[in-house]
Amino acid sequence: GAGVSQSPSNKVTEKGKDVELRCDPISGHTALYWYRQSLGQGLEFLIYFQGNSAPDKSGLPSDRFSAERTGGSVSTLTIQRTQQEDSAVYLCASSPTGGRTYEQYFGPGTRLTVT
Amino acid sequence: AQSVTQPDIHITVSEGASLELRCNYSYGATPYLFWYVQSPGQGLQLLLKYFSGDTLVQGIKGFEAEFKRSQSSFNLRKPSVHWSDAAEYFCAVVADQFYFGTGTSLTVIP
Repeated sequence: GAGVSQSPSNKVTEKGKDVELRCDPISGHTALYWYRQSLGQGLEFLIYFQGNSAPDKSGLPSDRFSAERTGGSVSTLTIQRTQQEDSAVYLCASSPTGGRTYEQYFGPGTRLTVT
Repeated sequence: AQSVTQPDIHITVSEGASLELRCNYSYGATPYLFWYVQSPGQGLQLLLKYFSGDTLVQGIKGFEAEFKRSQSSFNLRKPSVHWSDAAEYFCAVVADQFYFGTGTSLTVIP
């Protein structure tokens, strides 16, 4: 079956522009996660969805970051007024449930470059 | 606070040599531990996981890891490394969410 897909794979944008990153989770997975991976850093948790609701938004670095999930499936991460420090790889993962024991299945990521 | 430390940023080994990647965690309760591998341009793939029971866990691609509570460690091992194992390796501990280490980059010399 299809894995987690993300689009675009690469995005170059000018400072101050808004960007939208898309994640298609594995069909039937109710939990969806967004992470940010900066050069030389581990994965930084951004937000977690269970169904369409986001019980944990604690990782969003600023109010320029927002995310939504519709129909319990596709999720969009939006970054407004992008800054150079937003340059990173944004990874999406899904899981059959939100429980701690379930592994997360990762997409290939979107590499965002802010010039 | 929960945290994961991977003290080795980069490791180089010869093909056929043994490998050990270190991972130390900080977590007050029984940890759920994972090792993931990330090949260039790819997402993370699960190698193995530990929840409870036998402290020596077998994973895919010939990898294994041993949970040592007394040392708060979950080191990844492979007896004989293949060139295709060159990648970035991440250790993670699960509490209220996944906490990932900063990764260890593995280079394999032919």
